[in-house]
Amino acid sequence: ELKVEQNPLFLSMQEGKNYTIYCNYSTTSDRLYWYRQDPGKSLESLFVLLSNGAVKQEGRLMASLDTKARLSTLHITAAVHDLSATYFCAVDNVAGNTGKLIFGQGTTLQVKP
Amino acid sequence: DTGVSQDPRHKITKRGQNVTFRCDPISEHNRLYWYRQTLGQGPEFLTYFQNEAQLEKSRLLSDRFSAERPKGSFSTLEIQRTEQGDSAMYLCASSYLTGSETQYFGPGTRLLVL
Repeated sequence: ELKVEQNPLFLSMQEGKNYTIYCNYSTTSDRLYWYRQDPGKSLESLFVLLSNGAVKQEGRLMASLDTKARLSTLHITAAVHDLSATYFCAVDNVAGNTGKLIFGQGTTLQVKP
Repeated sequence: DTGVSQDPRHKITKRGQNVTFRCDPISEHNRLYWYRQTLGQGPEFLTYFQNEAQLEKSRLLSDRFSAERPKGSFSTLEIQRTEQGDSAMYLCASSYLTGSETQYFGPGTRLLVL
């Protein structure tokens, strides 16, 4: 059974600092997604990583994928308060091509002024 | 493109009552997914449709849950004889069958069973 684990689950950081969120998954998959969720809101798609070595960047966020290590990272550069949210990684259950996503527990990021 | 919409946004019901939620996907998206999210957890897959066909149901989905997608457009999720454990956010997502399979989520329906 495919499992997805994120760490840390909670991250409190100062504005201007850098940090990385890790996402490990248990079985082979070539598609990994990062979503953002604000409190009480739905999920916003951030990145789709489709192959080994894929790297995508948007503003202060950069995501990468290592399919051999079954690891994705979400790197935050010079954090600002607006980045405070919960971040989820999700892996596509590729077998059967259902598109069914298996989500991690989420990492709640709190950026303090 | 107006995005995925869900109705109602909030629902409070008494235990034992039936509830129905509606999801309107992004037009031309042929896949539609239902997920459930409880507080502090990631979304959990419930079921999905490709066009009008329901292709998979999670083991989480008891017999009290049923979903339909007539004509491959909007979808409904019905919960019969609600229980307090059904309280959660119910999320709908849609995607177009391509290599990237990005799923776009609706705003969700928050259900509270008293």
